[in-house]
Amino acid sequence: SQTIHQWPATLVQPVGSPLSLECTVEGTSNPNLYWYRQAAGRGLQLLFYSVGIGQISSEVPQNLSASRPQDRQFILSSKKLLLSDSGFYLCAWSKENLRNQPQHFGDGTRLSIL
Amino acid sequence: QKEVEQNSGPLSVPEGAIASLNCTYSDRVSQSFFWYRQYSGKSPELIMSIYSNGDKEDGRFTAQLNKASQYVSLLIRDSQPSDSATYLCAVGGGSTLGRLYFGRGTQLTVWP
Repeated sequence: SQTIHQWPATLVQPVGSPLSLECTVEGTSNPNLYWYRQAAGRGLQLLFYSVGIGQISSEVPQNLSASRPQDRQFILSSKKLLLSDSGFYLCAWSKENLRNQPQHFGDGTRLSIL
Repeated sequence: QKEVEQNSGPLSVPEGAIASLNCTYSDRVSQSFFWYRQYSGKSPELIMSIYSNGDKEDGRFTAQLNKASQYVSLLIRDSQPSDSATYLCAVGGGSTLGRLYFGRGTQLTVWP
């Protein structure tokens, strides 16, 4: 069966510090991978998605970036965090390049910016 | 812009009642529809998928889809306090491969 791992679970960072969140998927090959952010009381905002190694699509221009160095690894980064970057960050996966597939979420990282 | 609309609630029902959650979507070519449950502080969990017009039942949950009206709903029978959560509607299968569009969710409270 497929599993998705996301870490850390919680993170407190000062404004202006860098960020690196990691997500890995097990039990499947060539998954589609996604990064979402959910601000308090808000809906899910898609940040990035990837259909393969090195292929990243950005949905919202901002100070975040994503990379996919390996097939089942997805990394979310920032060089300098802003207060507005606080939120619940979720990684998700779906079966490769297929329509009508659900997405499955990791446990998320709760990021607080001080 | 592909829109998915849900009543934000909160929806409050007594234990044992039927909870009805509704969702409308704007993209007529959508082909896949999902309901996720999100407990407070947790990540969304897939609970139902539906692809064809009509009803699909899974235990106490029934998903209903009407593509002509661009409407999908989730019924929870015999609601339990453990069903208290935010329910997210997600729509996919349009022009962007793999992309799902999420509503903002409906908060459900089931009181004993």
